[in-house]
Amino acid sequence: ILNVEQSPQSLHVQEGDSTNFTCSFPSSNFYALHWYRWETAKSPEALFVMTLNGDEKKKGRISATLNTKEGYSYLYIKGSQPEDSATYLCALPAAGGTSYGKLTFGQGTILTVHP
Amino acid sequence: NAGVTQTPKFQVLKTGQSMTLQCAQDMNHEYMSWYRQDPGMGLRLIHYSVGAGITDQGEVPNGYNVSRSTTEDFPLRLLSAAPSQTSVYFCASSYGGSNTEAFFGQGTRLTVV
Repeated sequence: ILNVEQSPQSLHVQEGDSTNFTCSFPSSNFYALHWYRWETAKSPEALFVMTLNGDEKKKGRISATLNTKEGYSYLYIKGSQPEDSATYLCALPAAGGTSYGKLTFGQGTILTVHP
Repeated sequence: NAGVTQTPKFQVLKTGQSMTLQCAQDMNHEYMSWYRQDPGMGLRLIHYSVGAGITDQGEVPNGYNVSRSTTEDFPLRLLSAAPSQTSVYFCASSYGGSNTEAFFGQGTRLTVV
């Protein structure tokens, strides 16, 4: 079982603030890192799948970076809006044989954006 | 755009009862998984399948059975429900495993009394 840790556990920001949070993981045997957004009463939806060291991905005001050598990824939200309020999950797949693709999730960062 | 469909959305069971949570996807994905979500625990993998006829255990498989007779369907069976199985259950599917995103169903909130 991979050890995937996210910090902080929760975050409260004001509308318009920029924010970021971290996903830490073992740097050995890295295959990919997934970021998901999970809004209350909905199901998790994928934001990014990152595979290469130094990867940087962007979707609107949300971006993510990946450092596989030191075992972390940052998720940034620029100019937070109330609709960004959600739990942000990172996950790493195992690989090899029938373990291929099994996802281990971190506990998530709960973001609340106050108007 | 059906995607991943889970039924039921809510269920209350008595201890010892059995039931099946249904999951179906219409995207022709080979990989399907069941997770449970408990407060403070994140999503934990119960069972996993890489294709029809092939299943594997996840992190928390005890008390659950799965089978995969078709690409589309991946039902999760609770053999004898226990209060510890009170949780929210999510089914997910993906096309290519590690490097492709997972698509989740809407979840089933199960309460065992």
